[in-house]
Amino acid sequence: KQEVTQIPAALSVPEGENLVLNCSFTDSAIYNLQWFRQDPGKGLTSLLLIQSSQREQTSGRLNASLDKSSGRSTLYIAASQPGDSATYLCAVRRANYGGATNKLIFGTGTLLAVQP
Amino acid sequence: DTGVSQDPRHKITKRGQNVTFRCDPISEHNRLYWYRQTLGQGPEFLTYFQNEAQLEKSRLLSDRFSAERPKGSFSTLEIQRTEQGDSAMYLCASSLNLRQGLANEQFFGPGTRLTVL
Repeated sequence: KQEVTQIPAALSVPEGENLVLNCSFTDSAIYNLQWFRQDPGKGLTSLLLIQSSQREQTSGRLNASLDKSSGRSTLYIAASQPGDSATYLCAVRRANYGGATNKLIFGTGTLLAVQP
Repeated sequence: DTGVSQDPRHKITKRGQNVTFRCDPISEHNRLYWYRQTLGQGPEFLTYFQNEAQLEKSRLLSDRFSAERPKGSFSTLEIQRTEQGDSAMYLCASSLNLRQGLANEQFFGPGTRLTVL
């Protein structure tokens, strides 16, 4: 059974700091991994999607890496801003018979607070 | 707005009542998903549709829950005889699946927050 863990559960940093969020998964047979942002009481905003064959993806100040063999992904946020404060969730899709299952399996998230 | 929309955004009901939520996916997305998220947890998969066909249901979806997507466009999720344990955020997502092998990114709506008193 695939389990997704995110460490730390909460993180507080001063504005301008670079930071890394961690995601680990127990079954390396994944199809892809997606990072999301969730503001309090709101839905999920997709940040980055990494295919199982890729090592990293970048979007603006965000960089996500994937090491499938070790079951880990990291989300790097450069020059953090107070507007980055939110919960960050990672989710994996399992590979299945040459394709993928359709459900995302989520971690419990990292609550990030960027202090001005 | 061309994103996923959900209605209502908030619903407060008394235990034992029936509730129905609606999700409108991104236009032309052929897959639609329902997830449930309780406080402090990540979303958990409930069910998904390919066009109008419901192809997978989680064990979380008890017989009090029913989902439909009658014309392959919008979807409804109904909960009968609500219980306090049903209180959660219900999230809908959609994706475009052209063929196997493509990474079909899921786009989420704002969610419906259900409170059962």
